[in-house]
Amino acid sequence: DQQVKQNSPSLSVQEGRISILNCDYTNSMFDYFLWYKKYPAEGPTFLISISSIKDKNEDGRFTVFLNKSAKHLSLHIVPSQPGDSAVYFCAASARRGETSGSRLTFGEGTQLTVNP
Amino acid sequence: EAGVTQFPSHSVIEKGQTVTLRCDPISGHDNLYWYRRVMGKEIKFLLHFVKESKQDESGMPNNRFLAERTGGTYSTLKVQPAELEDSGVYFCASSHLTSGRYTGELFFGEGSRLTVL
Repeated sequence: DQQVKQNSPSLSVQEGRISILNCDYTNSMFDYFLWYKKYPAEGPTFLISISSIKDKNEDGRFTVFLNKSAKHLSLHIVPSQPGDSAVYFCAASARRGETSGSRLTFGEGTQLTVNP
Repeated sequence: EAGVTQFPSHSVIEKGQTVTLRCDPISGHDNLYWYRRVMGKEIKFLLHFVKESKQDESGMPNNRFLAERTGGTYSTLKVQPAELEDSGVYFCASSHLTSGRYTGELFFGEGSRLTVL
């Protein structure tokens, strides 16, 4: 039972255009969402996150949108750059009021290719 | 500050053999996690240590997997005996214990690729 789904295994965009990566989840207990970027032979690195009490969080070229009623989030990258080419993972956690940390549930990832 | 380090980077073993993976978290990080990615699928949670205690080991596939974190510093993940389906990339991640604002961010190592033949 996959609770976080990224239905697009790959996405190709032109440099300078917008990249939109999508993610759906099924567990209504999830209350914190993160995006990670992964280059080949490296570990995932944190990109941006959003709490369920918000619907948008922006950090430079990266914006994450959360639609709780649809259980859907998306990552927008504007403008896209060739260095953004990587696998992007959506992840979610159910904090349940914990401060000690809690497990992340990941999607399968989307390979983004930004063409010069 | 050194990041999360994992050893070995790649291990190739025969079915039935034993392999031990090691993770050194970022200094001072009490949370330590093990994850696994198989065949380009999702990154799956295995277990979570807080210091030396297992907080959540619900993701461990079966009793062929044993994780330890003696002294609350580095951790090892032993697979014994290894099976073909154990092949994949094993990631370790760490984070601070948080007080107040929850960040959720985990810092990942580069992973240990395990190939079971």
